[in-house]
Amino acid sequence: DIQMTQSPASLSASVGDRVTITCRASQNIYRYLNWYQQKPGKAPEVLIYGASTLQRGVPSRFSGSGSGTDFTLTISSLEPEDFATYCCQQSYSSPGTFGQGTKVEV
Amino acid sequence: QVQLVQSGSELKEPGASVKVSCKASGYTFTNSALYWVRQAPGQGLEWMGWINTNTGNPTYAQAFTGRFVFSLDTSVNTTYLQISSLKTDDTAVYYCARKKYASGYVFFDYWGQGTLLTVSS
Repeated sequence: DIQMTQSPASLSASVGDRVTITCRASQNIYRYLNWYQQKPGKAPEVLIYGASTLQRGVPSRFSGSGSGTDFTLTISSLEPEDFATYCCQQSYSSPGTFGQGTKVEV
Repeated sequence: QVQLVQSGSELKEPGASVKVSCKASGYTFTNSALYWVRQAPGQGLEWMGWINTNTGNPTYAQAFTGRFVFSLDTSVNTTYLQISSLKTDDTAVYYCARKKYASGYVFFDYWGQGTLLTVSS
């Protein structure tokens, strides 16, 4: 199975900050990388697929980059509703493994 | 609008069985595969596997073979997750999610609300 490693596990930020989260795959996954946001007690919601394509309806302050083994999710200016956990997932091969998540908190 | 509605929370004793349902609406049921994802308390997401909604053929991640069964009832647009011989380690929220295929990439575009399974004596 492909291992997905996220860093950091958590970070403290303030409204207006630029936030960057990293996800590393244990092997080349090309651009088969998705990012999800999850709020407490809720199901995840997709933000980005194909490493950099914003899902319909997702604010443009979210962006993704990377290919191969190293990927980044960036929030350009943190809004109050962005305090949540972010998780990457590879869809290159089965099982479609997830990273352990990065909690963005105040 | 697309919705995946799951059955309610369950409390079971070790050794028992449970069947969780996920009812789809707002789209053609057989057009998209449905996946199951587990989230243990305070932990990350685990990809359990999926079911082909055309053929009913299930695929399981290695960690979820043996005690876990995915099934379908297309007459009511519902997929099921059955877990037998429950263990305390099965305590988790179980999500169903719809597969979306776009521009050559696969992701989950709609999720059920989750079903909390608690296994405790």
